[in-house]
Amino acid sequence: QKEVEQNSGPLSVPEGAIASLNCTYSDRGSQSFFWYRQYSGKSPELIMFIYSNGDKEDGRFTAQLNKASQYVSLLIRDSQPSDSATYLCAVKMGNTGFQKLVFGTGTRLLVSP
Amino acid sequence: DVKVTQSSRYLVKRTGEKVFLECVQDMDHENMFWYRQDPGLGLRLIYFSYDVKMKEKGDIPEGYSVSREKKERFSLILESASTNQTSMYLCASSRPTPLYGYTFGSGTRLTVV
Repeated sequence: QKEVEQNSGPLSVPEGAIASLNCTYSDRGSQSFFWYRQYSGKSPELIMFIYSNGDKEDGRFTAQLNKASQYVSLLIRDSQPSDSATYLCAVKMGNTGFQKLVFGTGTRLLVSP
Repeated sequence: DVKVTQSSRYLVKRTGEKVFLECVQDMDHENMFWYRQDPGLGLRLIYFSYDVKMKEKGDIPEGYSVSREKKERFSLILESASTNQTSMYLCASSRPTPLYGYTFGSGTRLTVV
């Protein structure tokens, strides 16, 4: 089992729809969770982080965390073609001392006009 | 604006050459990381450093070494470049706290011919 799992996609949604991106993780003790957006040929850019169960909203983005189910999701409302990118889920893991971000392989999102 | 700067955006080297990839951050971050990213394989951690002159192997250190003589600078060295090291190389930095994500540089696309 991979430590952080994402569906590779592509996830195709029409402009204006809600895009729902999902991620599961293996380490039950993980405390913090991050979503990165990566455009083709560019480096990852941090767009959201969450560390408490429930929802966290920032503009059109909502991160959702369910630690009991070891599940993180990212909702993008009113999707725009400019949201077309690969979205990486990342989880901070490590039992003692140094914690590292472990990345999923990403979900490719395509928003059609 | 805080930054992680990678010295080269594109690089072409010959097989057997010694290659230096430089990364500088201006955020006074303690932790620095080198990843490579290949299609279908996601981000793979090569080396990381949590302090000056300290280094730790990541998941795929073979064929690479690193140097961190100053806090702001973390260098990746390919001792003898090979064609299977053709990849996108990403540097990142972070603070050593659980709620802190990584900031990535813009990446170096290395081609070994």
